Amino acid sequence: NAGVTQTPKFRVLKTGQSMTLLCAQDMNHEYMYWYRQDPGMGLRLIHYSVGEGTTAKGEVPDGYNVSRLKKQNFLLGLESAAPSQTSVYFCASSYNGEPLHFGNGTRLTVT
Amino acid sequence: GEDVEQSLFLSVREGDSSVINCTYTDSSSTYLYWYKQEPGAGLQLLTYIFSNMDMKQDQRLTVLLNKKDKHLSLRIADTQTGDSAIYFCAETLGGSYIPTFGRGTSLIVHP
Repeated sequence: NAGVTQTPKFRVLKTGQSMTLLCAQDMNHEYMYWYRQDPGMGLRLIHYSVGEGTTAKGEVPDGYNVSRLKKQNFLLGLESAAPSQTSVYFCASSYNGEPLHFGNGTRLTVT
Repeated sequence: GEDVEQSLFLSVREGDSSVINCTYTDSSSTYLYWYKQEPGAGLQLLTYIFSNMDMKQDQRLTVLLNKKDKHLSLRIADTQTGDSAIYFCAETLGGSYIPTFGRGTSLIVHP
């Protein structure tokens, strides 16, 4: 049972480049979330999804897009990376209000 | 202001008890959680409490909930060096599946 898997684990981008972060869960969870974690800021919600084919904006959605084409996958895209998007990104999933299960994070550096 | 507040740092001696505190502002919270984040890893659920409970104990962990003061605490008995981590408090409001996280408390355990 893998739980929540994030790929890649690390990435370095140049300003203006694009990339997609992949999150996969094998627990048949309806809800999936993308957070970013910055020093002293805690976790901030970027986007979330309440089911296949649906997405919604969180607290800090600007500069990011998401897609949930399959229930088990939630993709986070950066179309034109900026240094302010240097962060650690966490994906999580949950079943109808139960506690969240987190992946191990993707550390992204934008130079 | 923040919905969920925590102090940023706590330092304790190995073998002592640790008490990590959290305050929240929404009286309609239904679930309150404690997550642990070790270096380089995602968040792991430690324990949670329903808002209609006052206390929950699980081995070395004791959670106390004071609904009147909107105060949640996590007590770790016989603190070990392996308990060094960041501890996040989170709440979920009734009808919502989007938890609100505090900024996290860094627990440092020294010999």
